[in-house]
Amino acid sequence: QSALTQPASVSGSPGQSITISCTGTSSDVGTYNYVSWYQQHPGKAPKLIIYDVSNRPSGVSNRFSGSKSGNTASLTVSGLQAEDEADYYCRSYTSSSTLVFGGGTKLTVL
Amino acid sequence: EVHLLDSGGGLVQPGESLRLSCAASGFTFSSHAMSWVRQAPGKGLEWVSGISGSGVGGYYADSVKGRFIISRDNSKNMMYLQMNSLRAEDTAVYYCAKVAGSGWGQGTLVTVSS
Repeated sequence: QSALTQPASVSGSPGQSITISCTGTSSDVGTYNYVSWYQQHPGKAPKLIIYDVSNRPSGVSNRFSGSKSGNTASLTVSGLQAEDEADYYCRSYTSSSTLVFGGGTKLTVL
Repeated sequence: EVHLLDSGGGLVQPGESLRLSCAASGFTFSSHAMSWVRQAPGKGLEWVSGISGSGVGGYYADSVKGRFIISRDNSKNMMYLQMNSLRAEDTAVYYCAKVAGSGWGQGTLVTVSS
């Protein structure tokens, strides 16, 4: 049950785009299209922003998009805004019928 | 609107037990798998345990297997986490969450310290 691998931090200027990667294995990300992404602001509960690799819940900005290739999923945030500064976590279903999160990525808007 | 209210956290000594509760509303509770996720101070999210909508079968992270027990009462729209033999490393904010779709509790703090 090793955590999925995410970069510790990424940054970008307002209006730019950034991509956060989430690398797993063939036992999780590589096999199942059950990858979700969560945004967490300090002191708040996580918020679902992408589910099933590339789907956005109602109300989530279309500036957030998700994709997957092999064992790596990715979250892209386009048109960066100050309010996007937060921690981002990926999550995958696994072959053991468990869930596993990534270590988290801190997004800084410069 | 989905609403999850987790409760039951507190300060306990190592080796003691604690039971967390999660009250659900705004969705058909029995149709949804649920989970417990924790976050140690200053750390990332860690999935702890999950349970199917019917309540048959619980799943656990290796770090809590054999010590924690997840359960649910669909007649009351409630989920529980019985935490036994608590350790200092179990100190965290514990969230209840829907496995699929949006829905997280506000979190309840568990502190294990002598």
